[in-house]
Amino acid sequence: SQQGEEDPQALSIQEGENATMNCSYKTSINNLQWYRQNSGRGLVHLILIRSNEREKHSGRLRVTLDTSKKSSSLLITASRAADTASYFCATDDSSYKLIFGSGTRLLVRP
Amino acid sequence: EPEVTQTPSHQVTQMGQEVILRCVPISNHLYFYWYRQILGQKVEFLVSFYNNEISEKSEIFDDQFSVERPDGSNFTLKIRSTKLEDSAMYFCAQRGRDTSNYGYTFGSGTRLTVV
Repeated sequence: SQQGEEDPQALSIQEGENATMNCSYKTSINNLQWYRQNSGRGLVHLILIRSNEREKHSGRLRVTLDTSKKSSSLLITASRAADTASYFCATDDSSYKLIFGSGTRLLVRP
Repeated sequence: EPEVTQTPSHQVTQMGQEVILRCVPISNHLYFYWYRQILGQKVEFLVSFYNNEISEKSEIFDDQFSVERPDGSNFTLKIRSTKLEDSAMYFCAQRGRDTSNYGYTFGSGTRLTVV
């Protein structure tokens, strides 16, 4: 089964810096989504990019998708301490379910 | 913003006991899901439910698990005889009709602790 695998597993940056997280997957997808999870809490949908799109922006978020390499990246610009969370990519394919990556734990130091 | 509500937020149960986790979904959404997340690990797909039937289930979803919509609104996950390794966060999720543009909506989760 396909999986999203992310790197780095953990990322520590200073407030104001940009954070980049990468995700790789194995099979064909309809779209790829990024979610955020604060410690012990639920998953919050951040952004969705369709398989025919290459880049998408939402506020301080920028997502890219390279279907030839089966990879995606999430960039958070001008990070804030409140961005501290785990970030997961998830692929949505024709089987109508999400498959999640292992996640990146982001720590933004004030 | 529509929400998916899960109850209870935290449940502690003895090994071997039955538990029922509940989810109040958003109306007019078609697909329902249960996911689980063992502490510190990835979010794992358990089961998808469409048109009042299971459409797909993972290897994790064995005979100890069942799902239903008993009253046409609430969506439940039952674990018949809990094991220590069932301790995890369990998330209910939904997907609407427009899957090209919108992500899934997740509930805040139920933390299940089996002792």
